[in-house]
Amino acid sequence: GQSLEQPSEVTAVEGAIVQINCTYQTSGFYGLSWYQQHDGGAPTFLSYNGLDGLEETGRFSSFLSRSDSYGYLLLQELQMKDSASYFCAVRDDSSYKLIFGSGTRLLVRP
Amino acid sequence: SQTIHQWPATLVQPVGSPLSLECTVEGTSNPNLYWYRQAAGRGLQLLFYSVGIGQISSEVPQNLSASRPQDRQFILSSKKLLLSDSGFYLCAWRANYEQYFGPGTRLTVT
Repeated sequence: GQSLEQPSEVTAVEGAIVQINCTYQTSGFYGLSWYQQHDGGAPTFLSYNGLDGLEETGRFSSFLSRSDSYGYLLLQELQMKDSASYFCAVRDDSSYKLIFGSGTRLLVRP
Repeated sequence: SQTIHQWPATLVQPVGSPLSLECTVEGTSNPNLYWYRQAAGRGLQLLFYSVGIGQISSEVPQNLSASRPQDRQFILSSKKLLLSDSGFYLCAWRANYEQYFGPGTRLTVT
């Protein structure tokens, strides 16, 4: 079956760094994406990794290791507005469908 | 720029009633379109996706159906709602590796 595992909740302090891990088990693999969703809102795209390594976009970075079926999202210089749910998603075939994890709820405290 | 619309924003329907949710996309042609459902505190479940007019792929067998009567219009329907159909329904379109989500419809079946 297809499964993505990520922690359900993470708490961190404003200004700190937090890493949200995602491990996946899918029949195929074409890439790993990360989405952010604030309470009551729609998900918004953060990053995509198709190949191994680190992708950096401002305060956010995402890493992928295909041999380990593992990736993570790194958030630096945390701000209160980063409090949200973060979802990893795998594209498992050439059709551009996504399989989403259950999400990690990040709480940033002052 | 591209914009995705969904309506209504919220909906309360009795069990056994019909459903019609509409999604339209502006600023792009022949988009890949997706319908997702999100239960409270959970990840996104892909329901349907479409690569063109009249082309619908169903991901989960249930009492929902989808149609794409026009290039930029995607409709989610049900003839008889179940309590388990309650959730946050999101329409999305794809650009390269990114999916862009509409504002969503929060459906409560009573």
